[in-house]
Amino acid sequence: DSGVTQTPKHLITATGQRVTLRCSPRSGDLSVYWYQQSLDQGLQFLIQYYNGEERAKGNILERFSAQQFPDLHSELNLSSLELGDSALYFCASQPTRSNTGELFFGEGSRLTVL
Amino acid sequence: DQQVKQNSPSLSVQEGRISILNCDYTNSMFDYFLWYKKYPAEGPTFLISISSIKDKNEDGRFTVFLNKSAKHLSLHIVPSQPGDSAVYFCAASVSGSARQLTFGSGTQLTVLP
Repeated sequence: DSGVTQTPKHLITATGQRVTLRCSPRSGDLSVYWYQQSLDQGLQFLIQYYNGEERAKGNILERFSAQQFPDLHSELNLSSLELGDSALYFCASQPTRSNTGELFFGEGSRLTVL
Repeated sequence: DQQVKQNSPSLSVQEGRISILNCDYTNSMFDYFLWYKKYPAEGPTFLISISSIKDKNEDGRFTVFLNKSAKHLSLHIVPSQPGDSAVYFCAASVSGSARQLTFGSGTQLTVLP
């Protein structure tokens, strides 16, 4: 158990819809990262938050947005969903004093867009 | 531009033999390298790491080697066990205020009993 909690574990929805994925980081971790893993692909960095503020942005589509709340949980919002958005979405948190970049991952949210 | 590459999507090894997983990178600013292991339906878990000031780090059956001049690192597992069957991701990071990890595409290791 990494200490990072993601909900829901599975989600099936239709094209054009909007979904919200939720993540609670490990206790004490201020950084939250979101990654996308499509079929047979590596982990693509989407976005990072640190203590409520956006810190870095990766290959995140304009239809996607995220935020981190005062209690440090984070939500990833995916809108106008397309078939190609079907993927595993991972949240990870990072120890505040990390010198290495090591991340602790949740179990992921599997999104299926039909 | 893929800065971290794992050119072998899959690798099969006999139980008890050595598994060697390879990773190449292009960004010379990377100064920390990590290996993650991922089982189906689970998130990636940290396995072993190495700083760019070292060329080898060992932890039990797992050893990571770093060749900076070749921008290449490898993970050796010996002896390999069936429970090691998983996807292995190589990752790299640059020191700085947002030390984000850049991941390779992963290598599926299958250890045959």
